[in-house]
Amino acid sequence: EPEVTQTPSHQVTQMGQEVILRCVPISNHLYFYWYRQILGQKVEFLVSFYNNEISEKSEIFDDQFSVERPDGSNFTLKIRSTKLEDSAMYFCASTPPRYEQYFGPGTRLTVT
Amino acid sequence: DQQVKQNSPSLSVQEGRISILNCDYTNSMFDYFLWYKKYPAEGPTFLISISSIKDKNEDGRFTVFLNKSAKHLSLHIVPSQPGDSAVYFCAASNSGGSNYKLTFGKGTLLTVNP
Repeated sequence: EPEVTQTPSHQVTQMGQEVILRCVPISNHLYFYWYRQILGQKVEFLVSFYNNEISEKSEIFDDQFSVERPDGSNFTLKIRSTKLEDSAMYFCASTPPRYEQYFGPGTRLTVT
Repeated sequence: DQQVKQNSPSLSVQEGRISILNCDYTNSMFDYFLWYKKYPAEGPTFLISISSIKDKNEDGRFTVFLNKSAKHLSLHIVPSQPGDSAVYFCAASNSGGSNYKLTFGKGTLLTVNP
């Protein structure tokens, strides 16, 4: 069964550094998302991406964040200058489109 | 701003019994609701969903009930099995938007004891 994959599974970075989180959505899906979950809190929407552009973003998704689909398979989330509060699990998701989204296993980002 | 609320952080039931997980929402624009299950170190996995035009949807051991007037939904698992032990997230979406964005609750940790 097709699945969403994410790399790396764990990323440790120093405050102020740039990080790129990578995702490979399911191949025939058209909508892509990033969500994050700070430890002990709910899963929060960050951004949706459709037709090679951002279709919606949350207040969390400020100028430090960007997304890109550099080729036909990868979908990336870049954080330009990480802050301690960016430490979280980051989940990529995709959908054909339907309401049911398929999530990857997540990348644990630790900012020290 | 908690638009989707799961007020029980945890629930413990005996194997074979019914598990009932509850969810409330405040945004009346939500018209599609989903339940996701999450094991540690994995991403959320879709379990079952319901449109606001229905009040019940059943899939095997899992049934979701929707009470629109009360802005409340529940997930019933019958019979519960130890493998059902996981965090269950309620999520909601608004068909008026074009992005199928999901708004999640905080989750309920279900423990099914053998």
